[in-house]
Amino acid sequence: KAGVTQTPRYLIKTRGQQVTLSCSPISGHRSVSWYQQTPGQGLQFLFEYFSETQRNKGNFPGRFSGRQFSNSRSEMNVSTLELGDSALYLCASRSRDGSYEQYFGPGTRLTVT
Amino acid sequence: QKEVEQDPGPLSVPEGAIVSLNCTYSNSAFQYFMWYRQYSRKGPELLMYTYSSGNKEDGRFTAQVDKSSKYISLFIRDSQPSDSATYLCATQAPGNTPLVFGKGTRLSVIA
Repeated sequence: KAGVTQTPRYLIKTRGQQVTLSCSPISGHRSVSWYQQTPGQGLQFLFEYFSETQRNKGNFPGRFSGRQFSNSRSEMNVSTLELGDSALYLCASRSRDGSYEQYFGPGTRLTVT
Repeated sequence: QKEVEQDPGPLSVPEGAIVSLNCTYSNSAFQYFMWYRQYSRKGPELLMYTYSSGNKEDGRFTAQVDKSSKYISLFIRDSQPSDSATYLCATQAPGNTPLVFGKGTRLSVIA
């Protein structure tokens, strides 16, 4: 089975722009979670989608949003980018509902200048 | 206070050393405890998982949980240069709840 894939792998944007990141979970996985990883804060949970519905949400401003499609692929969007949004954005899928085991993609490295 | 505290290191040890990595957590609702390993330019991968207090072994790795003191440990025996990575502890409450991570400890094993 193919692993979790994320596109693009690297992205450079300017302050004020918006960005959309994409994640394809492992085939058959219906839960997709997004995390932001920075040296200062570590891995922080953004949100989780399950069957196209947002199930959990972390403590991030409304500029961060996401969605999930019927094929379980997910996108996250960040509007009005700030310098502090520079981070590695990781997506993870669960093997089954309620499972502790999450499989992570390689991440998208976003740099905001 | 963050819910999960982890010393970020970095930690540098000679090959063959025993490595001890530790985390503390504050939320009694956390019932599941995991260690992830993250190599440079890769996403985290699940290394160990444990539910109850006590030890769990897998090869050179031992995960230890003490729920009474809210303390999580990972021991690596006979450490190898290939163990050089960032190690993240993670906890989870029951149900469809998100993982809560420590900041990670960067480990270098020197040949």
